[in-house]
Amino acid sequence: DVKVTQSSRYLVKRTGEKVFLECVQDMDHENMFWYRQDPGLGLRLIYFSYDVKMKEKGDIPEGYSVSREKKERFSLILESASTNQTSMYLCASRLDRDEGEKLFFGSGTQLSVL
Amino acid sequence: GQSLEQPSEVTAVEGAIVQINCTYQTSGFYGLSWYQQHDGGAPTFLSYNALDGLEETGRFSSFLSRSDSYGYLLLQELQMKDSASYFCAGRNSGNTPLVFGKGTRLSVIA
Repeated sequence: DVKVTQSSRYLVKRTGEKVFLECVQDMDHENMFWYRQDPGLGLRLIYFSYDVKMKEKGDIPEGYSVSREKKERFSLILESASTNQTSMYLCASRLDRDEGEKLFFGSGTQLSVL
Repeated sequence: GQSLEQPSEVTAVEGAIVQINCTYQTSGFYGLSWYQQHDGGAPTFLSYNALDGLEETGRFSSFLSRSDSYGYLLLQELQMKDSASYFCAGRNSGNTPLVFGKGTRLSVIA
């Protein structure tokens, strides 16, 4: 089975801190995604990457950046954390665009910014 | 872009059948997917409809009507463990990522 691992299950940070959320997948998937999930708002796409060193903005990229230096790893960076970035962050991967519907999700990182 | 609408909550009795609807508005459409997420868990893929009609996988079925921009997830013989959030999702083309609806929270009661 595909395994998508997010480095932290819970994270507490202070306003203004730089925050790194790490995601690793073990099935050689080409595509990786970062979503945030908030009650009543569902899953919203922050950034995605179709290949190493490639990145594209999703629907809500403001305040975030990403890094994909290796195929298996996709990092989400909060340059200066703010309280409105308190959320559940979900990383996902898929084999490629031809397998576009089947995403494999990590267990999520619940980030609290105080 | 994509916009998918689904009810926020549904309650059903154990052993019964429940249907969760999803309507979408999009400039293009590549098919409708469904995901399940238990509290505290990761979303997991349930089904995908690329063409009109019904797809069955055990107790779960999914339906798509492109002409009506509408689909649904049908859960039969409901069990308590089916209590979860269900998300419909779609994309405009092969090159675009999935966009999710806001989710339907299903509560199965005894």
